[in-house]
Amino acid sequence: NAGVTQTPKFQVLKTGQSMTLQCAQDMNHEYMSWYRQDPGMGLRLIHYSVGAGITDQGEVPNGYNVSRSTTEDFPLRLLSAAPSQTSVYFCASQDRRDRVNQPQHFGDGTRLSIL
Amino acid sequence: RKEVEQDPGPFNVPEGATVAFNCTYSNSASQSFFWYRQDCRKEPKLLMSVYSSGNEDGRFTAQLNRASQYISLLIRDSKLSDSATYLCVSRQGSNYQLIWGAGTKLIIKP
Repeated sequence: NAGVTQTPKFQVLKTGQSMTLQCAQDMNHEYMSWYRQDPGMGLRLIHYSVGAGITDQGEVPNGYNVSRSTTEDFPLRLLSAAPSQTSVYFCASQDRRDRVNQPQHFGDGTRLSIL
Repeated sequence: RKEVEQDPGPFNVPEGATVAFNCTYSNSASQSFFWYRQDCRKEPKLLMSVYSSGNEDGRFTAQLNRASQYISLLIRDSKLSDSATYLCVSRQGSNYQLIWGAGTKLIIKP
């Protein structure tokens, strides 16, 4: 039972580099999202998608891009990494039926450090 | 003011004791609520949903008070394994987004 799979688990980048964080889910969930979690703060929504071909911005979208070409995959791209993007990134998915009461399911997270 | 506020703790509690913590939310139109548990450097995991009438799952009881805009979590007969950070979450808005509290850290001591 894979659930939500994130890769890589750890990454160190230099300022200005770009990279893609991968997220895949095998539960046929239409809703997927990316969060970042910083010390002392709640999870903050970066981008989300309500289905293939549809994405939208969350609370902190600057510096990140997403695409949703399939139901299963929702990659997050850092365009030009900055030290302020050092964080733990979580991908989550949710069954879109009963959007009010369904919880979100999380991947293991990606710990990203920008030097 | 944060939309979802929690006491960061830590709450240091002896094993076997009962512990409770609250979470306040500012958006009266919040649609649903959850408690998640997060172990150090791990992903959040759903502990329980919070229903209007209150609900119980084993040693855990969740309550919702819409009039005062808070939810609570009660843990009875606490175990060492209950040590974690507990995240309060509300769902709101036309896109049903989740708004997360920063978490309450709980440490159960033998």
